[in-house]
Amino acid sequence: DTGVSQDPRHKITKRGQNVTFRCDPISEHNRLYWYRQTLGQGPEFLTYFQNEAQLEKSRLLSDRFSAERPKGSFSTLEIQRTEQGDSAMYLCASSAAPGPTVETQYFGPGTRLLVL
Amino acid sequence: DAKTTQPNSMESNEEEPVHLPCNHSTISGTDYIHWYRQLPSQGPEYVIHGLTSNVNNRMASLAIAEDRKSSTLILHRATLRDAAVYYCILRYYGGSQGNLIFGKGTKLSVKP
Repeated sequence: DTGVSQDPRHKITKRGQNVTFRCDPISEHNRLYWYRQTLGQGPEFLTYFQNEAQLEKSRLLSDRFSAERPKGSFSTLEIQRTEQGDSAMYLCASSAAPGPTVETQYFGPGTRLLVL
Repeated sequence: DAKTTQPNSMESNEEEPVHLPCNHSTISGTDYIHWYRQLPSQGPEYVIHGLTSNVNNRMASLAIAEDRKSSTLILHRATLRDAAVYYCILRYYGGSQGNLIFGKGTKLSVKP
């Protein structure tokens, strides 16, 4: 399967712990996005990369959150000192967009985080 | 990106057509209309997009009003697998912003 994959699919952690999620985009997709989705809401943008450069970050991305895409391939999203409000589905998407042209984003299955 | 308004929920019978409306009265001339859907326990998936003309693909059809202030996603024969939340999203491609802005979408239920 050559779709977007995310690991782990589920994560339960205690408040105050650090967690890290991984996203493997579709091969050769240059753009990678992170979104967060809480129950009953649509996904909310967190950040995105063009190759290894992090081009945009949402206000939702507090200083406890950090994302990397070191070689322009897979990406990691780390949450430090987790809070109960961080409980959500974290979605990754990728696309192949050479510039400001119409793009289709392909989403992974998400990582569901529960902070106790 | 301009905002969209969709009904919270809709019901359909299996094998009947479904028309999912979306209002976007503040759309600008360069905004594309995208539809994504999210099946239960999955990430969103692309359905269709258009700018001014009606569009058809293997999944659905997109009918765009002449003034572009509204659009309708048409599923020609709903199946149980089409039960999902459908999101109508406007997207401007002229700037550096890359993300999609999702609303709450329309939850479509399909009855057998």
